[in-house]
Amino acid sequence: DIQMTQSPSSLSASVGDRVTITCQASQDISNYLNWYQQKPGKAPKLLIYDASNLETGVPSRFSGSGSGTDFTFTISSLQPEDIATYYCQQYDNLPTFGGGTKVEIK
Amino acid sequence: QVQLVQSGAEVKKPGASVKVSCKASGYTFTSYGISWVRQAPGQGLEWMGWISAYNGNTNYAQKLQGRVTMTTDTSTSTAYMELRSLRSDDTAVYYCARDLSVTTRAFDIWGQGTMVTVSS
Repeated sequence: DIQMTQSPSSLSASVGDRVTITCQASQDISNYLNWYQQKPGKAPKLLIYDASNLETGVPSRFSGSGSGTDFTFTISSLQPEDIATYYCQQYDNLPTFGGGTKVEIK
Repeated sequence: QVQLVQSGAEVKKPGASVKVSCKASGYTFTSYGISWVRQAPGQGLEWMGWISAYNGNTNYAQKLQGRVTMTTDTSTSTAYMELRSLRSDDTAVYYCARDLSVTTRAFDIWGQGTMVTVSS
């Protein structure tokens, strides 16, 4: 299985801050990398697919980049409604998820 | 609207089996694959497997091989996930999720989740 190492596991930032989360694959996965947001008690929501494509209806403050083994997810200006846990997911082989990053407001 | 609606919560004893359903509506069921993802309490997401609603082809996570079976009923646009020989560490919320496209295994539509509790 391809292992996905996501960091940090948690972070605290102020409203308006730029937030960055990284995800590293254990082998080259090209751009087969997606990002999700999950709020407590809810199903995950797809934000970014194929490393950098914004899902329809998702605010433009969310973005993704990277290819190969190293990927970055960015919230350009953190909003209160962005409090959630974020997961990366690869699908180069059978899908696997990263461990998640819990984002809190400072 | 496009949605996946799952069956209700289950409580099972160790060693039993559970079968969770996922009814699709608002789109052509056979045009998309369905994955199953589970989440143990307070833990992250774990992909369990995938089924093509077009031809029934499946891929399962290696750790669940032999215990899990995924099927579909195209006449009712419903996907099923059966897990056998349940253990306490199978206690989790189980989600079904639709593939974004034939070529992109990103999950754009999710069911509401089904809580499965395994306890003696």
